Amino acid sequence: EDKVVQSPLSLVVHEGDTVTLNCSYEVTNFRSLLWYKQEKKAPTFLFMLTSSGIEKKSGRLSSILDKKELFSILNITATQTGDSAIYLCAVGRDDKIIFGKGTRLHILP
Amino acid sequence: DGGITQSPKYLFRKEGQNVTLSCEQNLNHDAMYWYRQDPGQGLRLIYYSQIVNDFQKGDIAEGYSVSREKKESFPLTVTSAQKNPTAFYLCASSIVGGFSYEQYFGPGTRLTVT
Repeated sequence: EDKVVQSPLSLVVHEGDTVTLNCSYEVTNFRSLLWYKQEKKAPTFLFMLTSSGIEKKSGRLSSILDKKELFSILNITATQTGDSAIYLCAVGRDDKIIFGKGTRLHILP
Repeated sequence: DGGITQSPKYLFRKEGQNVTLSCEQNLNHDAMYWYRQDPGQGLRLIYYSQIVNDFQKGDIAEGYSVSREKKESFPLTVTSAQKNPTAFYLCASSIVGGFSYEQYFGPGTRLTVT
């Protein structure tokens, strides 16, 4: 059965810390891995990864995919209180998308 | 402003009643999706539509129905057959069909059935 597992499920850190969120997957016919940030309501797109070893960056956020070991990480450096959110990982196939349960990140001022 | 709108934000219904959740997009996207999100759970796909007048069941379609008469609109009906309808419902769209692409999400509708 296809599955996407995120860890940790919950994380509390202080402002300025660096965090690493993990996403492992077992999905047949993999096409892409996507990261979303969900603050209150609507998830917003962060990254789409399709190739191993190529880091994608957007400001303080970065992500990389390892298709051999079947995982991805999302790094956030110099965290700010505005980074507090649920971070969702999803794996897309041609016929479906499988979401992980998310990591709830809370940044303390 | 382009985007996806869902209405209402909060919806309360009595058990046994059907209820329809609205989803409209002005992004000119071909594909639209409905997800359900429960506390501590990932998003689960209910239905999706890749073109007008066509839609497919997702992983948890039982007790739900949809229509796609217009490109911009993809309403979801939660029927009385849905055993546990209380949840947060998210609508999304993407430029093209398929699940390997970025999806744009609406703000969601929180449905409570008592």
